[in-house]
Amino acid sequence: AQRVTQPEKLLSVFKGAPVELKCNYSYSGSPELFWYVQYSRQRLQLLLRHISRESIKGFTADLNKGETSFHLKKPFAQEEDSAMYYCALSGTNQGGKLIFGQGTELSVKP
Amino acid sequence: DGGITQSPKYLFRKEGQNVTLSCEQNLNHDAMYWYRQDPGQGLRLIYYSQIVNDFQKGDIAEGYSVSREKKESFPLTVTSAQKNPTAFYLCASSINSGAPYNEQFFGPGTRLTVL
Repeated sequence: AQRVTQPEKLLSVFKGAPVELKCNYSYSGSPELFWYVQYSRQRLQLLLRHISRESIKGFTADLNKGETSFHLKKPFAQEEDSAMYYCALSGTNQGGKLIFGQGTELSVKP
Repeated sequence: DGGITQSPKYLFRKEGQNVTLSCEQNLNHDAMYWYRQDPGQGLRLIYYSQIVNDFQKGDIAEGYSVSREKKESFPLTVTSAQKNPTAFYLCASSINSGAPYNEQFFGPGTRLTVL
């Protein structure tokens, strides 16, 4: 079955601390992985995607096919990083539809 | 910020009534999607459309219906057959559905409450 799992509902860290939001997936083929973010009172938006190999706002994510994981990391959290983060996957010939995880709320305390 | 709009922002419905949620985009995107967002469950796909006059069921299509008569519009009807319709509904679009890595752009959402 195709599934995305984010084990943490809430992750609370202090400003300047490292952050890792976990994402594990189950997919029979080669998926494309994404992280979407929803800041307070804003729309859900793309943060980064595996294929771009980019770092956005200091966040990076590495696809580990052996562990079927796509964890999101940032070395030094900022208060403005507080938001809801969703991991998602899409597959070939799937019409572009996304399968989302349950989401992790990140709270960065001053 | 325009691009993709949803209306209304809040919608109240009595049990037994059908309601239609609007989704419009001016991004010239081929593909459009409807998701339902419930606390602790993330987003779940209701319906999607890859091209005008064509659409497919998602994971939770029961009790919902859609149409795609125009490229810009993808309205969602929540019928009385939907057993638990109170939720936050998100519409999204992407340039096309051919490539799995295309970004989806989301609307601001409609919160539906059944009284």
